[in-house]
Amino acid sequence: SQELEQSPQSLIVQEGKNLTINCTSSKTLYGLYWYKQKYGEGLIFLMMLQKGGEEKSHEKITAKLDEKKQQSSLHITASQPSHAGIYLCGADGGNNRKLIWGLGTSLAVNP
Amino acid sequence: DAMVIQNPRYQVTQFGKPVTLSCSQTLNHNVMYWYQQKSSQAPKLLFHYYDKDFNNEADTPDNFQSRRPNTSFCFLDIRSPGLGDAAMYLCATSRDGTSYEQFFGPGTRLTVL
Repeated sequence: SQELEQSPQSLIVQEGKNLTINCTSSKTLYGLYWYKQKYGEGLIFLMMLQKGGEEKSHEKITAKLDEKKQQSSLHITASQPSHAGIYLCGADGGNNRKLIWGLGTSLAVNP
Repeated sequence: DAMVIQNPRYQVTQFGKPVTLSCSQTLNHNVMYWYQQKSSQAPKLLFHYYDKDFNNEADTPDNFQSRRPNTSFCFLDIRSPGLGDAAMYLCATSRDGTSYEQFFGPGTRLTVL
């Protein structure tokens, strides 16, 4: 079965610093979803990537899917306290309407 | 705004006392999901509905049941909550079976005393 590994598990950065979170799949990715979760709340959809080499940006967050479609990275430029939370990647689990989830990366941004 | 609403946001119940969590959506999506999420863990899918078609995960305990009386509403029933069922319960929707983008509610935090 497919598994997603996220790294790092947790991250503490100073406000204004750049950071990268990775999501590595044990199998080829056919759809990769990034979500953000604040403590005690639901998940907020950030971006979806489907094509090898695809890159999408939203405000200061950029996500890429590598050419081989087995890894995605999420990059935050000039981090702010509002970026703090847990970032989860989810993968298309096949033709069954379900997502396979990584364990998440916890991000703290110190002012 | 179209959204996914969960009630209550916080639920406290006693060991063994049945509890029902509610989810409603104004997105008119065909698929509705229930997840259980424990601290520092990924969401764990319990079951989902594709329209009226119920799909249970193989490892979901019988203690967990669900109802979807119409497109907009879906309920999670925990028949006899145990201490191990304390968790955040997340409801999500997706448009149809070809779209994996899921829209989440804010969650219900369940405490079992």
